[in-house]
Amino acid sequence: NAGVTQTPKFQVLKTGQSMTLQCAQDMNHEYMSWYRQDPGMGLRLIHYSVGAGITDQGEVPNGYNVSRSTTEDFPLRLLSAAPSQTSVYFCASGFDSYQPQHFGDGTRLSIL
Amino acid sequence: AQSVTQPDIHITVSEGASLELRCNYSYGATPYLFWYVQSPGQGLQLLLKYFSGDTLVQGIKGFEAEFKRSQSSFNLRKPSVHWSDAAEYFCAVGRRGNQFYFGTGTSLTVIP
Repeated sequence: NAGVTQTPKFQVLKTGQSMTLQCAQDMNHEYMSWYRQDPGMGLRLIHYSVGAGITDQGEVPNGYNVSRSTTEDFPLRLLSAAPSQTSVYFCASGFDSYQPQHFGDGTRLSIL
Repeated sequence: AQSVTQPDIHITVSEGASLELRCNYSYGATPYLFWYVQSPGQGLQLLLKYFSGDTLVQGIKGFEAEFKRSQSSFNLRKPSVHWSDAAEYFCAVGRRGNQFYFGTGTSLTVIP
């Protein structure tokens, strides 16, 4: 019963490098989201998806890219990492528009 | 625009004492409201949700919350706190498309 799985759990990057944070869910949820969590700022929505092939921007989308080719996977791409992107990233999924989200355990990302 | 305010950054209570965590929301339509808990290094776990109907909702781990439309509040309560309740608590409002907007969180310390 995996739920939402995020990989890697930890990552250190240098400024300017690119990387992809992986997110997979096995609950057949249509809705998936990416958040970043920073001290004193709670969780802020980066991008979300309402189904395969459909994505949209959240509150803080700049510097991040997403795609959703399958129901199960929703990767988050950092094209050119910046120190301001140092954060803990959470992926979440939900089965209906207003239903609660299920969260992964997060990816802690440091950019030097 | 929608927003969620948690006015208390940090709260300390004694084990066995009662607890109330405050949450105020700003949202034009009928709000879908949630409380989540986050233990250190973990993802978020749903405590309870409010969609409509009875304004007092029960959740897991002995928590409850009361929705007060006139005050735009959704405060979380527990009659008797246990040491294991020490964690960070987030209030959130849900939007169409499974978009969630979170407050900045309240950190709870429980002293023996």
